[in-house]
Amino acid sequence: IVLTQSPGLLSLSPGERATLSCRASQSVRGIRLAWYQQKPGQAPRLLIYGASYRAPGIPDRFSGSGSGTDFTLTINRLEPEDFTVYFCQHYGGSPWTFGQGTKVEIK
Amino acid sequence: QVQLVQSGAEVKTPGASVKVSCKASGYTFTSYAMHWVRQAPGQRLEYMGWIKTDNGNTEYSQNFQGRVTITRDSPASTAYMEVNSLRSEDTAVYYCVTYAGSIIYWGQGTLVTVSS
Repeated sequence: IVLTQSPGLLSLSPGERATLSCRASQSVRGIRLAWYQQKPGQAPRLLIYGASYRAPGIPDRFSGSGSGTDFTLTINRLEPEDFTVYFCQHYGGSPWTFGQGTKVEIK
Repeated sequence: QVQLVQSGAEVKTPGASVKVSCKASGYTFTSYAMHWVRQAPGQRLEYMGWIKTDNGNTEYSQNFQGRVTITRDSPASTAYMEVNSLRSEDTAVYYCVTYAGSIIYWGQGTLVTVSS
């Protein structure tokens, strides 16, 4: 399954809403779609699993939605620490696959 | 709490091998498979393969078949990933990952640098 994220770069201001898209080349089995945040030099941080379930400790301004082949990560009221890279992952079977990432930058 | 702690950074010359370890804690090691993923500089994450920690069965991504070996030491709750015949393109951060009880946990990553 190939995951394609859009846009590649999102320029927004703190307090605005970010909408990130992840499209799969075929239906994701069991809605096993995750979203991560990754900062330079750090391991990915799980935000969303099962397409819409927030991981423990993740603020409620992060939300996920979608099914089948189209998935969305929404970040409400962007905080300064949210400006970084996000990527999606399919883990519904082997091999897992990953999107190429969306960078959210300060406008 | 689930923790995956990986071995430290490595510098290798082309043609050498590297073996990265991943020690798990906070859960029963043999209950969940261990997966390995790598991230080359500026590239998207790339899936390498996985091991069933209860019986040792493995499956490798096509790109790594024949050059990567994943093993485990169950009593030590540790998984290993070895890459042979290293080349410069193998310079990357290597991660162990487990999918335990719906949550996906990652190790901190191990930087492997291949340089002459």
